[in-house]
Amino acid sequence: GDSVTQTEGQVALSEEDFLTIHCNYSASGYPALFWYVQYPGEGPQFLFRASRDKEKGSSRGFEATYDKGTTSFHLRKASVQESDSAVYYCALGESSGSWQLIFGSGTQLTVMP
Amino acid sequence: NSKVIQTPRYLVKGQGQKAKMRCIPEKGHPVVFWYQQNKNNEFKFLINFQNQEVLQQIDMTEKRFSAECPSNSPCSLEIQSSEAGDSALYLCASSPGQGQAPLFGEGTRLSVL
Repeated sequence: GDSVTQTEGQVALSEEDFLTIHCNYSASGYPALFWYVQYPGEGPQFLFRASRDKEKGSSRGFEATYDKGTTSFHLRKASVQESDSAVYYCALGESSGSWQLIFGSGTQLTVMP
Repeated sequence: NSKVIQTPRYLVKGQGQKAKMRCIPEKGHPVVFWYQQNKNNEFKFLINFQNQEVLQQIDMTEKRFSAECPSNSPCSLEIQSSEAGDSALYLCASSPGQGQAPLFGEGTRLSVL
């Protein structure tokens, strides 16, 4: 079945550092790919999506490029802020009919001032 | 500011009791999802609807869980006989259609004592 792998469980950075969170997927065809962010006590918030090879999604300074060749959708931000501290989830849209999201295990980002 | 409204935010039940939670999806979104997020932040898909009809549901949902999405009324998820293992954050999400980003509510945190 479809799956999403996030290799980093936790990332600790200082303000203005560059962020990369790795996301790889396994699925047939061209699933839609998503990034969500979840703050404590809240539901996941949609950041952006992409659905075609080489398509770039972006929001709030975060970006990721759909790469079918490497089956990846890595999240990047050039300069993180303390307010970016949260859990980030990569997800793919299951394409066999239920349209459910398959989530990765999440990456806890902590940004220190 | 989430436009998917979930009530109540917190729910405390004893084992064997019924637990019911409600969700008002984003206006104009015909697809509604329910997910369970456990204390390890893992997401489990429970059920989804398109225009009041069930698209897919997992086996767990078929046994103790029931859900509905009537027209002109909030969607609901009910656990007939709560168990300690049901303690989790229950997330409702709605989407405009296949491949489009589901928007999540803030969730109902269920504690089964």
